[in-house]
Amino acid sequence: GNSVTQMEGPVTLSEEAFLTINCTYTATGYPSLFWYVQYPGEGLQLLLKATKADDKGSNKGFEATYRKETTSFHLEKGSVQVSDSAVYFCALTSTSGANSKLTFGKGITLSVRP
Amino acid sequence: DTGVSQNPRHKITKRGQNVTFRCDPISEHNRLYWYRQTLGQGPEFLTYFQNEAQLEKSRLLSDRFSAERPKGSFSTLEIQRTEQGDSAMYLCASSLAGGGVYNEQFFGPGTRLTVL
Repeated sequence: GNSVTQMEGPVTLSEEAFLTINCTYTATGYPSLFWYVQYPGEGLQLLLKATKADDKGSNKGFEATYRKETTSFHLEKGSVQVSDSAVYFCALTSTSGANSKLTFGKGITLSVRP
Repeated sequence: DTGVSQNPRHKITKRGQNVTFRCDPISEHNRLYWYRQTLGQGPEFLTYFQNEAQLEKSRLLSDRFSAERPKGSFSTLEIQRTEQGDSAMYLCASSLAGGGVYNEQFFGPGTRLTVL
């Protein structure tokens, strides 16, 4: 079945530091890949997505590239801000299924210090 | 606010009691999903509806769980004879359907269930 593995957390960075959060996946067919973010006290929000190999998703300064050869979708940001402190979830959905249910990783908590 | 809403936001119950949660999706969305999230884990799929039809249920959804979407609008998730292992955040999401492409799922704030 489908699965998503995220690096262990939590992660604590100073403001303006470079961020990488690793994500690898196992799936049949050609999944679509996502990063969701959960800010404190809020619901899950889609941060970015990529639907085919070599696509790059980007939003709010975050980027992730769909790497089929390494089955990875690592999240990066060049300069984090305090407001980026949140829980980040990598997820996938199988395009071979009709319902587009999401399979999530465990999530990682990012704390950014001023 | 036209987002997904869930009620109640918090529910504390005693083991063995029944509980019911409600989800109101974004009005034009015909798909509705339920997920469960336990502490330190990502959300896990439970079930989904397209309009009023329940089209898939996860093996996580035991016989004590039942979900309905009677008029294709709001949905309810009922847990009978609650157990301490049912303590979790229950998330609802909605989306449009069709077109052969992924349609973004919009999540509600969740209902946190604590079973004592």
